[in-house]
Amino acid sequence: AQSVAQPEDQVNVAEGNPLTVKCTYSVSGNPYLFWYVQYPNRGLQFLLKYITGDNLVKGSYGFEAEFNKSQTSFHLKKPSALVSDSALYFCAVRDPSGGGADGLTFGKGTHLIIQP
Amino acid sequence: NAGVTQTPKFQVLKTGQSMTLQCAQDMNHNSMYWYRQDPGMGLRLIYYSASEGTTDKGEVPNGYNVSRLNKREFSLRLESAAPSQTSVYFCASSDSGGISGANVLTFGAGSRLTVL
Repeated sequence: AQSVAQPEDQVNVAEGNPLTVKCTYSVSGNPYLFWYVQYPNRGLQFLLKYITGDNLVKGSYGFEAEFNKSQTSFHLKKPSALVSDSALYFCAVRDPSGGGADGLTFGKGTHLIIQP
Repeated sequence: NAGVTQTPKFQVLKTGQSMTLQCAQDMNHNSMYWYRQDPGMGLRLIYYSASEGTTDKGEVPNGYNVSRLNKREFSLRLESAAPSQTSVYFCASSDSGGISGANVLTFGAGSRLTVL
């Protein structure tokens, strides 16, 4: 079975400071990992994904994430936060060896609040 | 290009009533999904359809039925609504080309359902 954990319900960061949103995962094989963002009253939007290759993945809006196999983590980062980054962020995992649905398993989400 | 369109956006039901949530995508995607989003629980997969003519249960299928009417449309039906089905429902779709399981999901804007 695949699972993903986001240990922080909320992360507060001052505008201009670096931000990190944490994610750890559990799969039996090599994971496919994703980050999605949800703005109020909207559906989820894709930010970035890791499939294979370079452990540092760059995505939309200046976000990046680092895949760490030994720590089973895929933390989302941005060097300088903007107030407009305030949203709900979801980490998701897919175990390609698990069979079954192509649907992703999502974490519970982390509220990111950027303070002016 | 509308992407994924869900109707209705809001609905209030009484316990025991039935209703159908409609979803349509115009991206020629093969796979479609229904998720529910509850506070503190992230998104959970209800049902999915890997291709036209096929449907499969996800993590929380009890109390729901689905129909993949054609390649574009995937509906979710509540036969006898219960207060526990109060939630925000998201439809999503993805292309099945490329690396299986690595495809990005495109989400609709969501349908907020309240069961009294």
